[in-house]
Amino acid sequence: AQSVTQPDIHITVSEGASLELRCNYSYGATPYLFWYVQSPGQGLQLLLKYFSGDTLVQGIKGFEAEFKRSQSSFNLRKPSVHWSDAAEYFCAVGVPGTYKYIFGTGTRLKVLA
Amino acid sequence: GAGVSQTPSNKVTEKGKYVELRCDPISGHTALYWYRQSLGQGPEFLIYFQGTGAADDSGLPNDRFFAVRPEGSVSTLKIQRTERGDSAVYLCASSSEVAGANVLTFGAGSRLTVL
Repeated sequence: AQSVTQPDIHITVSEGASLELRCNYSYGATPYLFWYVQSPGQGLQLLLKYFSGDTLVQGIKGFEAEFKRSQSSFNLRKPSVHWSDAAEYFCAVGVPGTYKYIFGTGTRLKVLA
Repeated sequence: GAGVSQTPSNKVTEKGKYVELRCDPISGHTALYWYRQSLGQGPEFLIYFQGTGAADDSGLPNDRFFAVRPEGSVSTLKIQRTERGDSAVYLCASSSEVAGANVLTFGAGSRLTVL
């Protein structure tokens, strides 16, 4: 069965520091991969997605993610974090040819001024 | 509409009561999903509609939960005889197909609290 693991429940970084949020998945082939962000009281907003092709994908708000097939990973990165990036981040896997999505349990990001 | 709209945004009810949660998807999106998000968890799949029919309701936890989408647009999630364990945020998403994949757009959610 497919699964998504976000090993870090909480991460704290200082404003201006770089950020990497980890995501590992379990699936027999290459899935569709997504990162969503959720601010308090809000729904999930799509940051970026990977379907195929270039393994480094750019998203909104200065985020990027890299698909590494050998590591079954899709880590999210940002070179310089802003205080407004404080939120919860979810990695998700979509099973190609189906409607199925599986979400990780999320990583809560705290940004120190 | 411009986005996925969910009402109510907050609902407090007593144990044993009946609750309805409404989702108005993006116009033209034929696929609609309901997810449940408990505190500290990621969204968990409840049900998926393609048009008017429930293509997959395998995520509904028990027969107290039911959802409809009679005209292929607005959907209502119905919970009978609510229990305290039903307290969660219920998220609705609709999707368009991009490069053969469904890309979900979520509403802000309906927070249900069962006292």
